[in-house]
Amino acid sequence: AQSVSQHNHHVILSEAASLELGCNYSYGGTVNLFWYVQYPGQHLQLLLKYFSGDPLVKGIKGFEAEFIKSKFSFNLRKPSVQWSDTAEYFCAVSPYGSGNTGKLIFGQGTTLQVKP
Amino acid sequence: EAQVTQNPRYLITVTGKKLTVTCSQNMNHEYMSWYRQDPGLGLRQIYYSMNVEVTDKGDVPEGYKVSRKEKRNFPLILESPSPNQTSLYFCASSSAGTSGYEQYFGPGTRLTVT
Repeated sequence: AQSVSQHNHHVILSEAASLELGCNYSYGGTVNLFWYVQYPGQHLQLLLKYFSGDPLVKGIKGFEAEFIKSKFSFNLRKPSVQWSDTAEYFCAVSPYGSGNTGKLIFGQGTTLQVKP
Repeated sequence: EAQVTQNPRYLITVTGKKLTVTCSQNMNHEYMSWYRQDPGLGLRQIYYSMNVEVTDKGDVPEGYKVSRKEKRNFPLILESPSPNQTSLYFCASSSAGTSGYEQYFGPGTRLTVT
């Protein structure tokens, strides 16, 4: 079965620290990849997405992610976090190809807490 | 403004009392989905719709119904809610187009079933 795994469930960082959140997926075909962020009490917002081309994608608020096809990974990074980055982060995969329903498969989420 | 709206935002109900959560999008998207979010489990798809009158089960469809009579609306129906359906529900819409099925989410409906 297709699945998405986020390695870190709860991350605590100090401001200005670097961030890397791991995401691996299990699907052998072509995929579209996403990172969503959910700030406290809010709905999910798209941080960045990968469809094709350059495997290093840049998103909003200084976030970036690298798609490594051989590792089935799509890790999220930010060089220097801010207190306002405190949120829950979700990796998601949309399997591509025939029968595509626009379905998103989500990881379990990673709660990031940034201490001022 | 492009958006997905859900109503109500908060709902407390009792076991067995039928309820409907509405979802509407104004982006002319073909695809619409319902997800539930539970701690430690991320978001799981309940039902999805590829277009008007075309719906199918997601990963956790038990206890839910949906309908898609109009392109913009995709209501979620709980005919006989139970406490294990207490959760945060999100509606989402997407389009095949150039967005690669990027999904736009509604603000969420927090449901409590006692």
